[in-house]
Amino acid sequence: EIVMTQSPATLSVSPGERATLSCRASQSVSSNLAWYQQKPGQAPRLLMYGVSTRATGIPARFSGSGSGTEFTLTISSLQSEDFAAYYCQQYNNWPRTFGQGTKVEIK
Amino acid sequence: EVQLLESGGGLVQPGGSLRLSCAASGFTFSSYGMSWVRQAPGRGLEWVSTISTTGSTFYADSVKGRLTISRDNSKNTLFLQMSSLRAEDTAVYYCAQTAPFYFDSWGLGTLVTVSS
Repeated sequence: EIVMTQSPATLSVSPGERATLSCRASQSVSSNLAWYQQKPGQAPRLLMYGVSTRATGIPARFSGSGSGTEFTLTISSLQSEDFAAYYCQQYNNWPRTFGQGTKVEIK
Repeated sequence: EVQLLESGGGLVQPGGSLRLSCAASGFTFSSYGMSWVRQAPGRGLEWVSTISTTGSTFYADSVKGRLTISRDNSKNTLFLQMSSLRAEDTAVYYCAQTAPFYFDSWGLGTLVTVSS
């Protein structure tokens, strides 16, 4: 099983600042990586797939990069609605696996 | 607009059974894989199972042999038959449109609690 490790567990950021979230895979997942956002009490929402392709309706301040085993989700200028938990997920191998999540909180 | 509505959750005793359903609308159900993803209270996301358009099924090791995914394309409905339930199966269960490898749209979830 591919283990996905996200860092940091919690990220404290001020509105308007940049946030950088990391995701590492225990073995290569090529470009088969997605990111999800989840707000408290809500279902997850697809943000990004194929590392860097934004899902429908996702604003351009969200960007993804990386390949192989190291990936990054960047939020260029945090808005109030961006404070949430973020999960990476690989779909290169079965079983599909998620990272443990990064919570982005208001500083 | 894609809509996914889960139902069937509730309180069940350890060793018991439960059947979850997910009613889909707003897209051609038979053309998409579908999945179940769960989230234990206060925890992260865990993939449970996926069924392809052709009926091929895939399971997490933690549920293999106890949970069974199926679909009825005539009724646009996804199912998860759960048996031999354990306390560690307690979670919100989400159904997700799988397009075709990542989870594109999600339902609101249904809570399953396994407790005596």
